[in-house]
Amino acid sequence: AQSVTQLDSHVSVSEGTPVLLRCNYSSSYSPSLFWYVQHPNKGLQLLLKYTSAATLVKGINGFEAEFKKSETSFHLTKPSAHMSDAAEYFCVVTAGPGSARQLTFGSGTQLTVLP
Amino acid sequence: DGGITQSPKYLFRKEGQNVTLSCEQNLNHDAMYWYRQDPGQGLRLIYYSQIVNDFQKGDIAEGYSVSREKKESFPLTVTSAQKNPTAFYLCASHSFQNIQYFGAGTRLSVL
Repeated sequence: AQSVTQLDSHVSVSEGTPVLLRCNYSSSYSPSLFWYVQHPNKGLQLLLKYTSAATLVKGINGFEAEFKKSETSFHLTKPSAHMSDAAEYFCVVTAGPGSARQLTFGSGTQLTVLP
Repeated sequence: DGGITQSPKYLFRKEGQNVTLSCEQNLNHDAMYWYRQDPGQGLRLIYYSQIVNDFQKGDIAEGYSVSREKKESFPLTVTSAQKNPTAFYLCASHSFQNIQYFGAGTRLSVL
């Protein structure tokens, strides 16, 4: 079984300051991990994906995430927040091999960017 | 453009009525999924299908039904047995690279 915990339901930052969205996971297998972003009343868009290659993953819109196996974490960061980054962010882990269920979603982190 | 198309964008259900949400994809993906999203919560899996003419229940299948007669289409019916249908419904397809692609969603409300 696998699970994912997003440690903050809401994060608020000022425009131009760094963003940190925290995610811890558990998995019986070597996991694949994802971050998705959802703007209001929209579907989810893939930001980045980790699949056991480089532990530092770069995504779209300046976001990146670091896979830390010892800490079972996959935190999302961005050096400088932009107003357009305001959205909800989901950390996602895959199920183990042979499972058709595929993805387990965290409960989401709402990011607010203040002017 | 390749992608997932959900319709309608907004849908209203009357008491005792069944309603059907449409999901079409032109990505040639075998697997498709339906999720329900409630405010402040993550996505919960309703049904999924790995191949035509086959589908499996997810975590919250009660009160919902699906069909998969074509690879491109995976409609979801919200039946009258679903007593709390108000939510945002998302359809997704799954690529060989293990990435899910989402539609823009359908917001269902009860009149």
